[in-house]
Amino acid sequence: GNSVTQMEGPVTLSEEAFLTINCTYTATGYPSLFWYVQYPGEGLQLLLKATKADDKGSNKGFEATYRKETTSFHLEKGSVQVSDSAVYFCALSDPPGAAGNKLTFGGGTRVLVKP
Amino acid sequence: GAGVSQSPSNKVTEKGKDVELRCDPISGHTALYWYRQSLGQGLEFLIYFQGNSAPDKSGLPSDRFSAERTGGSVSTLTIQRTQQEDSAVYLCASSSRAGNTEAFFGQGTRLTVV
Repeated sequence: GNSVTQMEGPVTLSEEAFLTINCTYTATGYPSLFWYVQYPGEGLQLLLKATKADDKGSNKGFEATYRKETTSFHLEKGSVQVSDSAVYFCALSDPPGAAGNKLTFGGGTRVLVKP
Repeated sequence: GAGVSQSPSNKVTEKGKDVELRCDPISGHTALYWYRQSLGQGLEFLIYFQGNSAPDKSGLPSDRFSAERTGGSVSTLTIQRTQQEDSAVYLCASSSRAGNTEAFFGQGTRLTVV
């Protein structure tokens, strides 16, 4: 079955540092890939997504590129802010039309950005 | 409403009691998911509804857990004879269709079994 593995946290950074959160997946075919973010006290929300190989999703200064050859979807941000402190979840779903399209999530990575 | 609504937001129950958790998805969304998030843990898939298809119950941890979705809209997750290990935040999400569309999450129900 599908699975997602992401680096364990917590990740502690200083403001303006470079952030990378690794995510790799196991799936058949060509899944869609997502990053969700959960800010303190809030619900999960979509951060970015990519639906086919070599696509790059981007939002709020974050980027992730769908790498089919390495089955990865690493999240990066060049200069983090305190407001980026949150838990980040990598996820995948089967493409439309597949038999099972539920979202499969990684374990989440807590990021703490210090001023 | 504008988003996915879950109720109650918090529930404290005694071990052995049954609980019902409710999810109101975004109007028109055909896909509905239930997940569980234990303290410090990731998201554990429980059950998935898509339109009129048979639900994917493969994530339900035991036969004490069940869920239904009436009229393709509201969903209820029922936990019978609750145990302390059931304590977690139960999250509901919906999407306009399955696949590569965004899933919108509710704020969750924090369940504490004492």
